[in-house]
Amino acid sequence: GAVVSQHPSRVICKSGTSVKIECRSLDFQATTMFWYRQFPKKSLMLMATSNEGSKATYEQGVEKDKFLINHASLTLSTLTVTSAHPEDSSFYICSVPGTPSSGSQLDTQYFGPGTRLTVL
Amino acid sequence: QKEVEQDPGPLSVPEGAIVSLNCTYSNSAFQYFMWYRQYSRKGPELLMYTYSSGNKEDGRFTAQVDKSSKYISLFIRDSQPSDSATYLCAMRGNTGGFKTIFGAGTRLFVKA
Repeated sequence: GAVVSQHPSRVICKSGTSVKIECRSLDFQATTMFWYRQFPKKSLMLMATSNEGSKATYEQGVEKDKFLINHASLTLSTLTVTSAHPEDSSFYICSVPGTPSSGSQLDTQYFGPGTRLTVL
Repeated sequence: QKEVEQDPGPLSVPEGAIVSLNCTYSNSAFQYFMWYRQYSRKGPELLMYTYSSGNKEDGRFTAQVDKSSKYISLFIRDSQPSDSATYLCAMRGNTGGFKTIFGAGTRLFVKA
């Protein structure tokens, strides 16, 4: 499977500051990456689809001006939480769609290790 | 009604027990069904995936899909303390790209 890294793994910041989270696909190129948010004991919530060389596609209810996504290369997507507030504190996870395994028509997603954001 | 329902648990079992984890769903368009395992403070990792109805076995893990009942299961045989994690079901249809819907996850504890 694919190897996906995220940086930083955790960040604590003051309210009003901006935080950038990086997601890297380490062993293959990804024209698409996904950004999720996860609250404790809640399901993963898709925030947006990051597209290399074009604008991200945001899910309904997600503020695109608050969660800026830049997919600058085939191996890197960044999520910037602008003017962060305590309610933005969460676990942010990116994923990369994988290639079909041999003999299978299925694609799946390979997740990064996540970034825990705490806004004070 | 949520698209995917999953009992959050926690589920606590003794080592060696057979574990049954389940999800129900409401969207009959779902065709691909997955189970992810997520350790604390880590990203989910793919455990099993199946297409349409049927069973799939991989070592100690068996995934079952019953589309007529809109019900999927993951069985873990001879459970080990290292299986202690949160298990998330996930599913998607043929359209809409990779829009995958996740369950809330079931937290499993396997006691030595």
